[in-house]
Amino acid sequence: AQTVTQSQPEMSVQEAETVTLSCTYDTSESDYYLFWYKQPPSRQMILVIRQEAYKQQNATENRFSVNFQKAAKSFSLKISDSQLGDAAMYFCAYLRGTSGSRLTFGEGTQLTVNP
Amino acid sequence: DSGVTQTPKHLITATGQRVTLRCSPRSGDLSVYWYQQSLDQGLQFLIQYYNGEERAKGNILERFSAQQFPDLHSELNLSSLELGDSALYFCASSVVAGGPYEQYFGPGTRLTVT
Repeated sequence: AQTVTQSQPEMSVQEAETVTLSCTYDTSESDYYLFWYKQPPSRQMILVIRQEAYKQQNATENRFSVNFQKAAKSFSLKISDSQLGDAAMYFCAYLRGTSGSRLTFGEGTQLTVNP
Repeated sequence: DSGVTQTPKHLITATGQRVTLRCSPRSGDLSVYWYQQSLDQGLQFLIQYYNGEERAKGNILERFSAQQFPDLHSELNLSSLELGDSALYFCASSVVAGGPYEQYFGPGTRLTVT
């Protein structure tokens, strides 16, 4: 079974600084997707970024980028120029690369942004 | 706004009761997933439907059941409720054929069992 581990329960960053959230996963599959979801105090789950395992290039979405290390099974999220609105719980998630698979989530990292 | 809608937003009920949570997927998405988020269990997959048929089951209790209707909306039925069923219940939807397979979540239904 696939597992996802986020070893940092809490992180904090100063506004305008950069922070990196860590995620490792375990799978025997070769075809899969990885995601970062953000859950602000509203509790809405918001998709932040997606990485396909077959792509070597790291995904980037504006201030959000990932460092995908397939051999190490590591998938970290870097937030640049942190903003107060980035404060949220961040979940790393794994999806097997077949249609209609379930998401497996990590435990989450609570990010605080200090003004 | 993800395009996935869920009703009601909040639900307060007593132990032993039965409730129904409703979800409408994004336009064009045939697959619907239900997840439970509780403090002690994190985010757990419950069940998936694809075009009206059950596709996969996760850690769903026998007291819980779901269905997907011809118009693709889905309902999650929770019966004989216990205090431990208090949680945030999310519905998500995705395309299935051809990808991409990311799942978009509704705003959730917060269930409180007293």
